[in-house]
Amino acid sequence: AQSVAQPEDQVNVAEGNPLTVKCTYSVSGNPYLFWYVQYPNRGLQFLLKYITGDNLVKGSYGFEAEFNKSQTSFHLKKPSALVSDSALYFCAVRLPYTGRRALTFGSGTRLQVQP
Amino acid sequence: NAGVTQTPKFRVLKTGQSMTLLCAQDMNHEYMYWYRQDPGMGLRLIHYSVGEGTTAKGEVPDGYNVSRLKKQNFLLGLESAAPSQTSVYFCASSYGRDQPQHFGDGTRLSIL
Repeated sequence: AQSVAQPEDQVNVAEGNPLTVKCTYSVSGNPYLFWYVQYPNRGLQFLLKYITGDNLVKGSYGFEAEFNKSQTSFHLKKPSALVSDSALYFCAVRLPYTGRRALTFGSGTRLQVQP
Repeated sequence: NAGVTQTPKFRVLKTGQSMTLLCAQDMNHEYMYWYRQDPGMGLRLIHYSVGEGTTAKGEVPDGYNVSRLKKQNFLLGLESAAPSQTSVYFCASSYGRDQPQHFGDGTRLSIL
């Protein structure tokens, strides 16, 4: 089975401060990991993914994420938060080389950036 | 650029009624997906398709059927709606299995 956990329902950060949205996974093997963002009343938008290679992945809107195999984590980060980053963030996982062809999404973390 | 279009955007049904949600994509994507989003539960995959004429079950397929007769369209059917199917439904498509998924803006469905 493949699963992903987002331990924080909500993260609050002041504009200009660095932000981190946490994601941990529990699969055996080498997972493929993804981050998506959802703005109010919209569908999800792709931010970044880790398949293989460099553990630090850079994505859209200045976001990045670091794959940490020993801690089974894939936390989303941004050096300086913007009010416009306020949204719902989802981590997702797929374990390759299995019969499973689709992603499993976490429950989401709401990011609130205060001016 | 239309991307992924879902119709309708809102619908209210009575228990036992049936309906079909339509998803259309204009990106020539092979993969298409139907999800439901419920508070605190993230997105759960209902059914998906890896190409025209194919469908497969996801995590929560019971009570739903799908069809992919044309590459650009993916239909989700509710045979006999139940209040537990009240949710926001999202369609997505992608070029390949691990390529970014492009989402529609959702259909809000209420079953009374």
